Amino acid sequence: GENVEQHPSTLSVQEGDSAVIKCTYSDSASNYFPWYKQELGKRPQLIIDIRSNVGEKKDQRIAVTLNKTAKHFSLHITETQPEDSAVYFCAATKVTGDYKLSFGAGTTVTVRA
Amino acid sequence: NAGVMQNPRHLVRRRGQEARLRCSPMKGHSHVYWYRQLPEEGLKFMVYLQKENIIDESGMPKERFSAEFPKEGPSILRIQQVVRGDSAAYFCASSPGLATDTQYFGPGTRLTVL
Repeated sequence: GENVEQHPSTLSVQEGDSAVIKCTYSDSASNYFPWYKQELGKRPQLIIDIRSNVGEKKDQRIAVTLNKTAKHFSLHITETQPEDSAVYFCAATKVTGDYKLSFGAGTTVTVRA
Repeated sequence: NAGVMQNPRHLVRRRGQEARLRCSPMKGHSHVYWYRQLPEEGLKFMVYLQKENIIDESGMPKERFSAEFPKEGPSILRIQQVVRGDSAAYFCASSPGLATDTQYFGPGTRLTVL
C-alpha cells in the first residue's frame, strides 16, 4: 500500500515568514495529493490539493508543488499569520478505484507573533 | 448545504460495552470513508462504503469492528466489546463519487473507553 512520510513534525516560524512542509510517497500510481489543516479539537479541513497532471498550484498565500519523478510534494505558506497555527497533514491516493487517503503523520506549525 | 454530520461528538464507554458512531454525508454524496486518529497521530483509513456496499475494509480490525451504510439513514461504525485501545477520534468523510475525489470531513466522534 501507499506510504506517506511528512517532515518536519514541528515547525515554528516568525509571523510574516514562510513555512514549508515536505512529503514523500511510495506508490508511483498515486495521482491526487490533498493538504488538510486541523485546528485543535476540530475536523481536518481541505486547504489545497494537486493532481498529478499539474506541477504547481497556488491559492493566495498557499502553494503546493509536486515532483512526480522524485515522488514528493510540498506545501508552502507565505506571509504566515497567527491563525495559520495548526496541524497540517499531507495525503495521497489513486483516484481511479482506490479513494482511500493515506496520510502523513502531520506537522504542527506554530506562528510566533 | 450542510456539511458532513457526525454524532455523538463525544462518547464515553466502559470496557466491554458497545459503541455506535453515526455519520451523515453531505447532501448528494454517496461515498463514505471512516478514519481513526489516535492522540497526536495522523489519520488512518478504516473502511470505505457506498450505499449498501462495503467497498474496502482493509484498514478495519477483523474483530469487534463493523460498518454499514444502509439505503436509508446514516452510515454506522460499530465497535463491540470496546477496550481502552479503542479510545481515539473517529472521523468520517464523504465525497460525491466517481470522477470527484475530494473528501470532506465531519467533526469527528471522540471515543473514550474507561
